[in-house]
Amino acid sequence: GAVVSQHPSWVICKSGTSVKIECRSLDFQATTMFWYRQFPKQSLMLMATSNEGSKATYEQGVEKDKFLINHASLTLSTLTVTSAHPEDSSFYICSASSSGTFPPYEQYFGPGTRLTVT
Amino acid sequence: GQQLNQSPQSMFIQEGEDVSMNCTSSSIFNTWLWYKQDPGEGPVLLIALYKAGELTSNGRLTAQFGITRKDSFLNISASIPSDVGIYFCQGGSEKLVFGKGTKLTVNP
Repeated sequence: GAVVSQHPSWVICKSGTSVKIECRSLDFQATTMFWYRQFPKQSLMLMATSNEGSKATYEQGVEKDKFLINHASLTLSTLTVTSAHPEDSSFYICSASSSGTFPPYEQYFGPGTRLTVT
Repeated sequence: GQQLNQSPQSMFIQEGEDVSMNCTSSSIFNTWLWYKQDPGEGPVLLIALYKAGELTSNGRLTAQFGITRKDSFLNISASIPSDVGIYFCQGGSEKLVFGKGTKLTVNP
């Protein structure tokens, strides 16, 4: 149980275009989904937390107009990178939780999406 | 803000050796969780700890929630090549905070 999928697994796009990444919890209801960014050989950097039906809460320094997050249902959240630039190239990982920022805090991660902006 | 210090940053060991890594913080956490990330994939939850002093095992893995609630360690016994990866700790309270990871390399 507790399977989270991400689509696409990798994407190459041209500078200036927008890219949408989907995160789905396949066998449980995720009241909260988290979006992370990871640079090579570095830890996970939390970008935003989204609760179903609410606006996402963005971490300091993350541009909400650039990284649009929608959590329309208990099983789906999307991250749209708008007007992508080469510096947005990264590994984006989502996680899903049935408890969010309340105990027991367990998160189940998707396999990640490798974004390359040319 | 809350920060976690995870050490060591990297380890190079021989197959069969035991491994120990830890996370410390100046803040108290209600939960400690340990994840493993293989290259190009998302982290996978290994062990979750909910109570100060709790010692939990998952196969060859053992983790403990420090009695002060400010630290946790993860031990791997009799390491095998597939243990290779990056191990992250996560402290849970009103914020979820990740350590910077311990990269483990196991030489056959």
